[in-house]
Amino acid sequence: DAGITQSPRYKITETGRQVTLMCHQTWSHSYMFWYRQDLGHGLRLIYYSAAADITDKGEVPDGYVVSRSKTENFPLTLESATRSQTSVYFCASSDGGDRGTGELFFGEGSRLTVL
Amino acid sequence: SQQGEEDPQALSIQEGENATMNCSYKTSINNLQWYRQNSGRGLVHLILIRSNEREKHSGRLRVTLDTSKKSSSLLITASRAADTASYFCAVSNFGNEKLTFGTGTRLTIIP
Repeated sequence: DAGITQSPRYKITETGRQVTLMCHQTWSHSYMFWYRQDLGHGLRLIYYSAAADITDKGEVPDGYVVSRSKTENFPLTLESATRSQTSVYFCASSDGGDRGTGELFFGEGSRLTVL
Repeated sequence: SQQGEEDPQALSIQEGENATMNCSYKTSINNLQWYRQNSGRGLVHLILIRSNEREKHSGRLRVTLDTSKKSSSLLITASRAADTASYFCAVSNFGNEKLTFGTGTRLTIIP
């Protein structure tokens, strides 16, 4: 199906474990983003990517790793999960627009609980 | 730190009334966007207004931008129960593909 899909939608893990959240888009958008959403903080950018093999840090990158070997995939890995990483994670993509940042298309989110 | 800040944090109105939400930001922007998020779902883009535009319409939505005051407003006219959602503004800066989101306004439409 066309669009942007995230998996898993729900994940419970324990402190110290590695977790990977997957994101796949079918539009061939150049830009992809990972945000986390927490009460009182809105959405905060973790990492983003302008193209395959190009990634950059956002506002809250510590504790996260990303890769972009293919344009359509942008996985987010928590190398050693902590309770403070309990959150809802959103992946988004964009074609960049005609004069800079265009609209973002969001996935449905991955709700992660770290015990 | 958040670039966009919405006001009010929560708003409840009767169906059929108009809803107005405001967004303030701190630095010069390339464009400002509004998004809607239904409970438990991802964000959906509503409208984009560029820094050289002052007003934009889309259906029942009207967005204004005042760059001198670094603020924007989103007006939803003739509200419906289906408009119940959280609304976020997001700003982009020149030369930067990132969007910075505010904390959102939770809108409740009372039938």
